[in-house]
Formats: sequence, structure tokens, C-alpha cells
Amino acid sequence: QVQLVQSGAEVKKPGASVKVSCKASGNTFINYYIHWVRQAPGQGLEWMGRINPSGGSTTYAQKFQGRVTMTGGTSTSTFYMELTSLISEDTAVYYCARTRGYCSSTRCFGTSNWFDPWGQGTLVTVSP
Amino acid sequence: QSVLTQPPSVSGAPGQRVTISCTGSSSNIGAGYDVHWYQHLPGTAPKLLIYSDTNRPSGVPDRFSGSKSGTSASLAITGLQAEDEADYYCQSYDSSLSGQGVFGGGTKLTVL
Repeated sequence: QVQLVQSGAEVKKPGASVKVSCKASGNTFINYYIHWVRQAPGQGLEWMGRINPSGGSTTYAQKFQGRVTMTGGTSTSTFYMELTSLISEDTAVYYCARTRGYCSSTRCFGTSNWFDPWGQGTLVTVSP
Repeated sequence: QSVLTQPPSVSGAPGQRVTISCTGSSSNIGAGYDVHWYQHLPGTAPKLLIYSDTNRPSGVPDRFSGSKSGTSASLAITGLQAEDEADYYCQSYDSSLSGQGVFGGGTKLTVL
């Protein structure tokens, strides 16, 4: 059974950066993608982007382009999401999640484009 | 504002049936992208409930079912139980956003 285990909670000041990790274990891992999703207090889920561990190609949500970097690969099965220039609105629980495929502007590829499993979540608090 | 629209809340008594709608557009649900549903309890990771419009992962009770038509999808829960009280999210992808993932705003289910 695949498991995703994330790093612990972080407290950061405005303007700082945060780097959250997500380690995959279990029956890894062919043709999979790691996505990052966040949930701010009282808000819904928000997709941030994805990384293809095989090769490291990334796709980021327009909202986060220029501020987010997703890294990691199959050699360590550990993935990272770094968010820079933090503001109070970045206070949220950040999740990693796996799919076994990805979607483009025309269609989806691979065997699954649903998020399963998910990491346990990492609370990032941005406060002066 | 979320790309997919869900009612903020729904409620029902134990044993009743409730439905949660998820309304999209021609660039996401209407474009043929699958719709997936997640159950989210506070302090836990979201749990996959329905995948590819209508399919239940193993372990999910058959009280949960999904459907899709045109630019909308729905999640139905029959035989409501107290443990079903949670937030529910629909999710798909959007061609106008280059295939980026999109979620509904979430629906809080209250079991009366």
C-alpha cells in the first residue's frame, strides 16, 4: 500500500520561504505524478501544481507561478514544495497527493487522474 | 471563487438521502474530464470517495454513488449516517487552464 508522509508544521514570517517535504513509501512507483494541494482556514481545496518524478517536469497553477517550486524524484522517493515570498494568505494546510497520470488541455493520460493517496498534511502558518 | 460550484451546505436526517451537486462548464466537466469526489474530515487528509464520475474505490460503502451529465455532476448519499458528517469536494480538470486541477468550493454535510 502506497503511503505519503509529510514533514511537520512550520511557522514563517511574511516574506520568508517554506519548503515542505513528502516521502513516498510502499509499492512505488511507475508512471506516477505528485501533486500539491492546499487548504486555507475556512476555505476549500486549491490545486497548486504537479511534478513528474521521472524527469522532474512540473506544471504549476497560474496563481502560484513564480513563487512555487516543486522538486524531487524517484531516486529518493521524496518530493518538495517550496513557496517563496510568503504572505498571511499562504497560511494553510498543504497536502501532497498522487495520481498515475496527468491531464492536458485536451485530454488525460495514464491510468488514473484522481488523487489517491494523500499525505497527512502540513500546517504552514505565516505570522509576523 | 472556485471553478466548480457546489452548494455550501446540505443536511439530512439519519437514514435519508441527500445529493450534492457540482456545476462546471464546457471547459472542465463538459469537456469530458472525469469528476472525482472526496470526503474530508477536519484534521485528516481528504479521502477518495468516487473516481471517474461513478466508480467507488474498494472499502467505500455502496451508499455513496456518483453521476455526471453535461456540465454537472452529483454525489448521492443514501441511508445517511452520523459518520457521514463531513466536507465533500468535487474535482476535475480544466482545458482553459491547460489541464490544471480544479476543485469545487466544498459542501458541508450535516446529519441532523
